[in-house]
Amino acid sequence: KAGVTQTPRYLIKTRGQQVTLSCSPISGHRSVSWYQQTPGQGLQFLFEYFSETQRNKGNFPGRFSGRQFSNSRSEMNVSTLELGDSALYLCASSLGQGVDEQYFGPGTRLTVT
Amino acid sequence: AQSVAQPEDQVNVAEGNPLTVKCTYSVSGNPYLFWYVQYPNRGLQFLLKYITGDNLVKGSYGFEAEFNKSQTSFHLKKPSALVSDSALYFCAVRDILNTDKLIFGTGTRLQVFP
Repeated sequence: KAGVTQTPRYLIKTRGQQVTLSCSPISGHRSVSWYQQTPGQGLQFLFEYFSETQRNKGNFPGRFSGRQFSNSRSEMNVSTLELGDSALYLCASSLGQGVDEQYFGPGTRLTVT
Repeated sequence: AQSVAQPEDQVNVAEGNPLTVKCTYSVSGNPYLFWYVQYPNRGLQFLLKYITGDNLVKGSYGFEAEFNKSQTSFHLKKPSALVSDSALYFCAVRDILNTDKLIFGTGTRLQVFP
């Protein structure tokens, strides 16, 4: 089975712009979660989707949003980018919810200048 | 509140020696505990999990972890370290009955010296 794929792998944007990141989960997985990883804050949970519904949300401002499509693929969007949004954004998929382990993609490295 | 702590930023161990990476947690319900490993420029890889049952959990690459409810700990162990085990290790906890979020620790960098 193919693993979790994320596109693009690298992205450079300027302040004020918006960005959309894409995640394709492992085939058959219905749950997708997003995380932000930075050296200072570590791994921070953004949101989790299951069957196109947002199940859980982390403590991020409304500039961060996401969605999941009927084929379980997911996108996250960040509007009005700030320098502090520079990070590695990781997507993870799991078969279901709760006790199922998550499988992570390689991440999208976003740099905001 | 739900939280997980990894008290050591870095653990150094000689190849062939046993290794332990520490993790303690705090949840109000039953904890679901996970260990992940991250190699440079890669995403996280699942190592093992504790849901219920036997307190000693065996995982990938010879790793195991011991769940200790009284000490609220879930330490990662390996009897004999390899240089290739050098990586960043994350402990995570999920409190299904409450927040139901997967919360990660700050990570512990394991350095295995030849």
